[in-house]
Amino acid sequence: NAGVTQTPKFQVLKTGQSMTLQCAQDMNHEYMSWYRQDPGMGLRLIHYSVGAGITDQGEVPNGYNVSRSTTEDFPLRLLSAAPSQTSVYFCASSYNNEQFFGPGTRLTVL
Amino acid sequence: RKEVEQDPGPFNVPEGATVAFNCTYSNSASQSFFWYRQDCRKEPKLLMSVYSSGNEDGRFTAQLNRASQYISLLIRDSKLSDSATYLCVVNPGGSYIPTFGRGTSLIVHP
Repeated sequence: NAGVTQTPKFQVLKTGQSMTLQCAQDMNHEYMSWYRQDPGMGLRLIHYSVGAGITDQGEVPNGYNVSRSTTEDFPLRLLSAAPSQTSVYFCASSYNNEQFFGPGTRLTVL
Repeated sequence: RKEVEQDPGPFNVPEGATVAFNCTYSNSASQSFFWYRQDCRKEPKLLMSVYSSGNEDGRFTAQLNRASQYISLLIRDSKLSDSATYLCVVNPGGSYIPTFGRGTSLIVHP
Protein backbone atom coordinates (compact mmCIF):
# COMPACT_ATOMS: atom_id res chain seq x y z
CA ASN A 1 0.00 0.00 0.00
CA ALA A 2 1.25 3.46 -0.87
CA GLY A 3 -0.97 4.97 1.83
CA VAL A 4 -1.71 8.65 1.24
CA THR A 5 0.16 10.34 -1.58
CA GLN A 6 0.33 14.03 -2.40
CA THR A 7 1.64 15.92 -5.39
CA PRO A 8 3.45 18.16 -5.88
CA LYS A 9 5.89 18.18 -2.94
CA PHE A 10 6.82 21.82 -3.55
CA GLN A 11 5.13 24.61 -5.50
CA VAL A 12 5.72 28.30 -6.05
CA LEU A 13 2.85 30.39 -7.37
CA LYS A 14 2.34 34.02 -8.19
CA THR A 15 -0.54 35.92 -6.64
CA GLY A 16 -3.71 35.28 -8.60
CA GLN A 17 -2.66 31.97 -10.11
CA SER A 18 -4.77 28.89 -9.57
CA MET A 19 -3.66 25.34 -9.02
CA THR A 20 -4.77 21.95 -7.75
CA LEU A 21 -3.05 19.97 -5.02
CA GLN A 22 -3.53 16.28 -5.60
CA CYS A 23 -4.25 13.72 -2.89
CA ALA A 24 -4.91 10.01 -3.27
CA GLN A 25 -5.23 7.08 -0.88
CA ASP A 26 -5.35 3.36 -1.55
CA MET A 27 -6.73 2.21 1.81
CA ASN A 28 -10.41 2.54 0.84
CA HIS A 29 -11.01 5.05 3.64
CA GLU A 30 -14.27 6.95 3.48
CA TYR A 31 -13.11 9.99 5.45
CA MET A 32 -10.54 12.35 3.94
CA SER A 33 -9.47 15.84 4.87
CA TRP A 34 -7.17 18.72 4.03
CA TYR A 35 -5.18 20.69 6.60
CA ARG A 36 -2.81 23.58 6.47
CA GLN A 37 -0.03 23.99 8.97
CA ASP A 38 1.53 27.32 9.74
CA PRO A 39 4.18 28.11 12.38
CA GLY A 40 2.56 28.58 15.78
CA MET A 41 -0.91 27.78 14.45
CA GLY A 42 -0.96 24.02 14.46
CA LEU A 43 -3.03 22.04 11.97
CA ARG A 44 -6.15 23.78 10.73
CA LEU A 45 -8.88 21.92 8.85
CA ILE A 46 -9.71 23.36 5.42
CA HIS A 47 -12.26 20.91 3.98
CA TYR A 48 -13.24 17.34 4.63
CA SER A 49 -15.24 14.55 3.04
CA VAL A 50 -17.08 11.62 4.62
CA GLY A 51 -17.43 9.77 1.35
CA ALA A 52 -17.55 10.07 -2.42
CA GLY A 53 -19.81 12.93 -3.46
CA ILE A 54 -19.90 14.51 0.01
CA THR A 55 -17.73 17.42 1.11
CA ASP A 56 -17.97 20.02 3.83
CA GLN A 57 -16.11 23.04 5.11
CA GLY A 58 -13.66 23.00 7.93
CA GLU A 59 -12.23 25.82 9.99
CA VAL A 60 -10.51 27.79 7.18
CA PRO A 61 -12.26 27.04 3.85
CA ASN A 62 -12.11 30.46 2.18
CA GLY A 63 -10.10 30.48 -1.04
CA TYR A 64 -10.20 26.70 -1.45
CA ASN A 65 -12.48 24.25 -3.22
CA VAL A 66 -12.63 20.49 -3.05
CA SER A 67 -14.45 17.66 -4.79
CA ARG A 68 -14.69 13.95 -4.09
CA SER A 69 -15.72 12.06 -7.20
CA THR A 70 -14.07 8.81 -6.10
CA THR A 71 -13.18 7.24 -2.75
CA GLU A 72 -9.49 7.40 -3.66
CA ASP A 73 -9.01 11.02 -4.73
CA PHE A 74 -9.58 14.30 -2.90
CA PRO A 75 -8.02 17.25 -4.77
CA LEU A 76 -7.75 20.72 -3.25
CA ARG A 77 -8.08 23.69 -5.59
CA LEU A 78 -6.74 27.14 -4.92
CA LEU A 79 -8.91 29.48 -6.94
CA SER A 80 -6.78 32.64 -6.92
CA ALA A 81 -3.64 32.23 -4.84
CA ALA A 82 -2.77 34.83 -2.22
CA PRO A 83 0.40 35.24 -0.12
CA SER A 84 -1.69 34.31 2.96
CA GLN A 85 -2.02 30.83 1.48
CA THR A 86 1.71 30.22 1.79
CA SER A 87 1.76 27.16 4.01
CA VAL A 88 2.35 23.43 4.25
CA TYR A 89 -0.69 21.45 3.17
CA PHE A 90 -1.40 17.97 4.46
CA CYS A 91 -4.01 15.59 3.14
CA ALA A 92 -5.22 12.83 5.45
CA SER A 93 -7.51 9.84 5.36
CA SER A 94 -9.04 8.32 8.44
CA TYR A 95 -10.24 4.96 9.73
CA ASN A 96 -11.57 4.41 13.25
CA ASN A 97 -10.56 8.00 14.05
CA GLU A 98 -6.91 7.28 13.27
CA GLN A 99 -5.53 9.82 10.80
CA PHE A 100 -3.10 8.81 8.05
CA PHE A 101 -1.27 11.79 6.59
CA GLY A 102 0.36 12.33 3.24
CA PRO A 103 3.89 13.77 3.09
CA GLY A 104 2.65 17.31 2.49
CA THR A 105 2.92 20.02 -0.14
CA ARG A 106 4.99 23.09 0.60
CA LEU A 107 3.36 26.02 -1.17
CA THR A 108 4.80 29.49 -1.52
CA VAL A 109 2.71 32.30 -3.01
CA LEU A 110 4.70 35.34 -4.12
CA ARG B 1 -10.44 28.50 26.16
CA LYS B 2 -8.99 26.49 23.27
CA GLU B 3 -10.55 23.06 22.75
CA VAL B 4 -7.23 21.24 23.07
CA GLU B 5 -4.30 22.86 24.82
CA GLN B 6 -0.68 21.83 25.04
CA ASP B 7 2.41 23.47 26.47
CA PRO B 8 4.43 24.30 23.34
CA GLY B 9 7.77 23.83 25.16
CA PRO B 10 10.42 23.22 24.13
CA PHE B 11 11.18 20.59 26.70
CA ASN B 12 14.96 20.27 26.69
CA VAL B 13 16.10 17.04 28.37
CA PRO B 14 19.27 14.94 28.47
CA GLU B 15 19.41 11.44 27.06
CA GLY B 16 18.08 8.92 29.52
CA ALA B 17 15.72 11.35 31.22
CA THR B 18 12.04 10.77 31.83
CA VAL B 19 9.76 13.47 30.47
CA ALA B 20 6.00 13.93 30.60
CA PHE B 21 3.59 16.08 28.61
CA ASN B 22 -0.01 16.89 29.38
CA CYS B 23 -2.81 17.90 27.07
CA THR B 24 -6.11 19.34 28.31
CA TYR B 25 -9.37 19.23 26.41
CA SER B 26 -12.57 21.20 26.93
CA ASN B 27 -15.25 18.94 25.40
CA SER B 28 -16.38 16.49 28.06
CA ALA B 29 -18.12 14.41 25.35
CA SER B 30 -14.77 13.58 23.71
CA GLN B 31 -14.48 9.88 22.95
CA SER B 32 -11.15 9.18 21.28
CA PHE B 33 -7.70 10.37 22.19
CA PHE B 34 -4.39 10.02 20.44
CA TRP B 35 -0.78 11.13 20.53
CA TYR B 36 0.93 11.85 17.21
CA ARG B 37 4.59 12.51 16.58
CA GLN B 38 5.73 15.03 13.98
CA ASP B 39 9.34 15.32 12.92
CA CYS B 40 10.61 18.56 11.46
CA ARG B 41 9.17 19.17 7.98
CA LYS B 42 7.41 15.79 7.97
CA GLU B 43 3.84 14.65 8.31
CA PRO B 44 2.33 13.71 11.69
CA LYS B 45 2.30 10.00 12.44
CA LEU B 46 0.32 8.11 15.03
CA LEU B 47 2.39 7.37 18.12
CA MET B 48 -0.29 5.75 20.24
CA SER B 49 -3.95 5.71 21.09
CA VAL B 50 -5.02 6.61 24.62
CA TYR B 51 -7.49 4.26 26.24
CA SER B 52 -9.44 4.74 29.45
CA SER B 53 -7.29 2.07 31.05
CA GLY B 54 -4.08 3.68 29.85
CA ASN B 55 -1.73 2.41 27.19
CA GLU B 56 1.92 1.44 27.29
CA ASP B 57 4.22 0.77 24.35
CA GLY B 58 7.83 0.21 25.29
CA ARG B 59 9.20 3.45 26.74
CA PHE B 60 5.97 5.33 26.08
CA THR B 61 2.96 5.44 28.40
CA ALA B 62 -0.25 7.33 27.70
CA GLN B 63 -2.95 8.00 30.28
CA LEU B 64 -6.42 9.50 30.23
CA ASN B 65 -7.98 11.39 33.12
CA ARG B 66 -11.61 12.02 32.24
CA ALA B 67 -12.46 13.71 35.54
CA SER B 68 -9.85 16.42 34.98
CA GLN B 69 -10.12 16.25 31.18
CA TYR B 70 -6.53 15.70 30.26
CA ILE B 71 -4.32 13.11 28.65
CA SER B 72 -0.66 12.58 29.32
CA LEU B 73 2.34 11.09 27.57
CA LEU B 74 5.31 9.79 29.53
CA ILE B 75 8.58 8.97 27.81
CA ARG B 76 11.14 7.00 29.79
CA ASP B 77 14.86 6.69 29.00
CA SER B 78 14.71 9.43 26.35
CA LYS B 79 16.69 8.90 23.16
CA LEU B 80 18.09 11.51 20.79
CA SER B 81 15.66 10.14 18.21
CA ASP B 82 12.71 11.08 20.42
CA SER B 83 13.33 14.73 19.51
CA ALA B 84 10.15 15.82 17.73
CA THR B 85 6.87 17.64 18.23
CA TYR B 86 4.16 15.65 19.97
CA LEU B 87 0.59 16.44 18.97
CA CYS B 88 -2.42 15.66 21.12
CA VAL B 89 -5.57 14.76 19.16
CA VAL B 90 -9.09 14.53 20.53
CA ASN B 91 -12.23 13.30 18.75
CA PRO B 92 -15.58 14.50 20.06
CA GLY B 93 -18.19 11.81 20.30
CA GLY B 94 -20.23 11.38 17.13
CA SER B 95 -17.91 13.52 15.02
CA TYR B 96 -15.41 12.58 12.34
CA ILE B 97 -13.56 15.80 12.90
CA PRO B 98 -10.56 15.56 15.21
CA THR B 99 -9.22 18.50 17.14
CA PHE B 100 -5.45 18.87 17.16
CA GLY B 101 -3.39 20.55 19.81
CA ARG B 102 -0.62 22.82 18.61
CA GLY B 103 2.02 20.39 19.78
CA THR B 104 4.76 20.14 22.39
CA SER B 105 8.35 20.32 21.20
CA LEU B 106 10.83 17.88 22.75
CA ILE B 107 14.57 18.22 22.34
CA VAL B 108 16.72 15.42 23.71
CA HIS B 109 20.41 16.36 23.95
CA PRO B 110 23.50 14.20 24.55
